[in-house]
Amino acid sequence: EAQVTQNPRYLITVTGKKLTVTCSQNMNHEYMSWYRQDPGLGLRQIYYSMNVEVTDKGDVPEGYKVSRKEKRNFPLILESPSPNQTSLYFCASSPGAGMNTEAFFGQGTRLTVV
Amino acid sequence: AQSVTQPDIHITVSEGASLELRCNYSYGATPYLFWYVQSPGQGLQLLLKYFSGDTLVQGIKGFEAEFKRSQSSFNLRKPSVHWSDAAEYFCAVLKAAGNKLTFGGGTRVLVKP
Repeated sequence: EAQVTQNPRYLITVTGKKLTVTCSQNMNHEYMSWYRQDPGLGLRQIYYSMNVEVTDKGDVPEGYKVSRKEKRNFPLILESPSPNQTSLYFCASSPGAGMNTEAFFGQGTRLTVV
Repeated sequence: AQSVTQPDIHITVSEGASLELRCNYSYGATPYLFWYVQSPGQGLQLLLKYFSGDTLVQGIKGFEAEFKRSQSSFNLRKPSVHWSDAAEYFCAVLKAAGNKLTFGGGTRVLVKP
């Protein structure tokens, strides 16, 4: 089954404790992105990757890091989480750019930083 | 900069009634437009998309949307809602660079029996 898998689904952590949210897709997609969802703001792009070893900032990259060492994986790293990073996070992948694209989303990771 | 506005934060509709969700966008070029649905505790599922051609687009689950360039709108409609349509709906515009989707704030739909 074609899917985007995020782990964990739920996470409660303390301020300053480094964490990683994993994302894996089995569709051989080129593009992968991370979004955060906050009430009334919709989803905002954090980082994206166009291919292995190619990543770039989205709209709200502060406080986050990513890496793309393999095509299928795109982990999101919070080196020193803060309470304002409490949010619902989505990973997405898509096969290409422009017209020939449809983004497939993971189930989401609900992160709480206390 | 591109932006998407969904004016209605919440909409309550009776089961069997029609539904229309509004979406206005701001984008300099020809927009690629999408509607996604998010059921409680779930990820986002694509309902439909518009790239070019016929301005009335059919999607899954009986939804359709109409692109109106003159009004910069891409409203979503369904003639008769079902209780399972209760969800949050997001309109989005695609920016080719970075394959970035810019989302509206979402509209939460409640369905009354």
